[in-house]
Amino acid sequence: DTVLTQSPALAVSPGERVTISCKASESVSTRMHWYQQKPGQQPKLLIYKASNLASGVPARFSGSGSGTDFTLTIDPVEADDTATYFCQQSWNGHTFGAGTKLELK
Amino acid sequence: QVQLKETGPGLVQPTQTLSITCTVSGFSLTSYYMQWVRQTPGKGLEWMGFIRSGGSTEYNSEFKSRLSISRDTSKNQVFLKMNSLKTEDTGVYYCARDQLGFDYWGQGVMVTVSS
Repeated sequence: DTVLTQSPALAVSPGERVTISCKASESVSTRMHWYQQKPGQQPKLLIYKASNLASGVPARFSGSGSGTDFTLTIDPVEADDTATYFCQQSWNGHTFGAGTKLELK
Repeated sequence: QVQLKETGPGLVQPTQTLSITCTVSGFSLTSYYMQWVRQTPGKGLEWMGFIRSGGSTEYNSEFKSRLSISRDTSKNQVFLKMNSLKTEDTGVYYCARDQLGFDYWGQGVMVTVSS
């Protein structure tokens, strides 16, 4: 199975730029997607196929990467962005990362 | 508008079978793959399996021996059945539509496996 590794937590101040990383144990081409999940809610698609903004998602969110290394960038961060962010690959079956919890200072 | 809603039992006894229904509206099951994902305290988000727009299925090997996904297109429903439940299967079960990522999710149904 393709394992996705994310850093567990980040803390940033509103207005700053934050990058969240996801490293795959093998190449997933550009079949990487990013989700935001707030407590008690279902995940919400932010970015599909590495760099494409999902419908209705603010342009503050962007994604990049291919192969094994991917990043989700939020610039600028707003208070409402407090959430856990998951990466998911769909190149070799489907697997999710463990999530990065984003907190605001 | 697109909506998905899971319904199922809140409590299931160990060794029993879990049955969850995902009822969709706003799109056709014959046009999209439908996915099942669960979120457990022990393993986080786990992909379980999917049913293709044509009706064939594919499962995560972790669940393959005890998981079944089916649908009734006339009722706009997708079904998950998993047998031999264990306490580690406790968690929230989601259905999701698959289009370039899982673009719509249900609100999830909490399932507790306990005697």
